[in-house]
Amino acid sequence: AQSVTQPDIHITVSEGASLELRCNYSYGATPYLFWYVQSPGQGLQLLLKYFSGDTLVQGIKGFEAEFKRSQSSFNLRKPSVHWSDAAEYFCAVAWQGNFNKFYFGSGTKLNVKP
Amino acid sequence: DTGVSQNPRHKITKRGQNVTFRCDPISEHNRLYWYRQTLGQGPEFLTYFQNEAQLEKSRLLSDRFSAERPKGSFSTLEIQRTEQGDSAMYLCASSPTGDQPQHFGDGTRLSIL
Repeated sequence: AQSVTQPDIHITVSEGASLELRCNYSYGATPYLFWYVQSPGQGLQLLLKYFSGDTLVQGIKGFEAEFKRSQSSFNLRKPSVHWSDAAEYFCAVAWQGNFNKFYFGSGTKLNVKP
Repeated sequence: DTGVSQNPRHKITKRGQNVTFRCDPISEHNRLYWYRQTLGQGPEFLTYFQNEAQLEKSRLLSDRFSAERPKGSFSTLEIQRTEQGDSAMYLCASSPTGDQPQHFGDGTRLSIL
């Protein structure tokens, strides 16, 4: 079955600290990978995407993510978190040959301590 | 690029009533998607249009749900005989042709009394 797992429901980090949010997927086809961010009561904003090529991708707001095929992972990172990064983060996957259906993880809620 | 627009932002209705939501995609995007998001979960795919053709529907889309995109521009999602379990955020997204990311609206939050 196709699935996306975000093992951390909540994460709290101090402002200025580094951040890593985990995402794992399962299925055999070639994945297209995305990270979205959602503020309360809002829709989802695309942070970054991976289709092919360099496995380290840069996104907006200083975020980056690394695709590791051997680990079926696409973890999101930021070297120094800002208070405005507090939000919920969703990993999403689409599969080659069925790009139009995105599968989302259940999200990781990020709190930032001053 | 004015973004994906959804109306209304909030809808409160009594169980058993019908509701209709509207989505206006980004103007040059010919693909349009509907998702449902319940509290504490990620969005779940409901259905997808390419232009006016509805090409895929999830099993989540029961016969009480219907979506249309009559002229290949805006879309409506109707829920008939609403039930408590229909309470959720309904998100619309759009994308251009090809393997492109989906751009999301701010959603319509439905609350069933």
